[in-house]
Amino acid sequence: AQSVSQHNHHVILSEAASLELGCNYSYGGTVNLFWYVQYPGQHLQLLLKYFSGDPLVKGIKGFEAEFIKSKFSFNLRKPSVQWSDTAEYFCAVNRGGADGLTFGKGTHLIIQP
Amino acid sequence: GAVVSQHPSRVICKSGTSVKIECRSLDFQATTMFWYRQFPKKSLMLMATSNEGSKATYEQGVEKDKFLINHASLTLSTLTVTSAHPEDSSFYICSARAQILGGPQETQYFGPGTRLLVL
Repeated sequence: AQSVSQHNHHVILSEAASLELGCNYSYGGTVNLFWYVQYPGQHLQLLLKYFSGDPLVKGIKGFEAEFIKSKFSFNLRKPSVQWSDTAEYFCAVNRGGADGLTFGKGTHLIIQP
Repeated sequence: GAVVSQHPSRVICKSGTSVKIECRSLDFQATTMFWYRQFPKKSLMLMATSNEGSKATYEQGVEKDKFLINHASLTLSTLTVTSAHPEDSSFYICSARAQILGGPQETQYFGPGTRLLVL
């Protein structure tokens, strides 16, 4: 069975700091990779996704992620965070559109003004 | 964008009763919907895959007789928690896979979730 690991459960940063959240998955075959964000009191929103092609993926709100196949990783990055980025971030994978998603445990990100 | 709604947003029920949660795709058709459960301070766990017009596929460890899923139309899936017990209290979230012509068919859009509390 596939699994997803997010290394940081809680991250606290100051505004304008750079962000990198780690994500590793265990499945050896072809996967689709996602990052979702859940702002306080809101539902999950898609930040970005990777299906194929350029391993550096640009998402919304200045986020990007890089797929490194050899490392089974899909780390999320943002060069300069804002207070409004405070949220829970989930990495997820599936093997194709017909499959449900396997989620990591999430990273709670707090940005201090 | 693709919008998914859930109803109710929260429900409190007595132990032994059944509760139905609806998941609707509002502006697109979804042949496939998924049901997840989120425990406090933990991640979402896939419970089942709901396909329009056919039986749901349940993940290992999920009781299909307890969590009844019906996907009667391309825009509606329902999850019924039968004979609910306090340990069923959780946050239930659905997602729908968009079938948008020319669009990213493999993206799932999530509903806002339903908070269930069983007393």
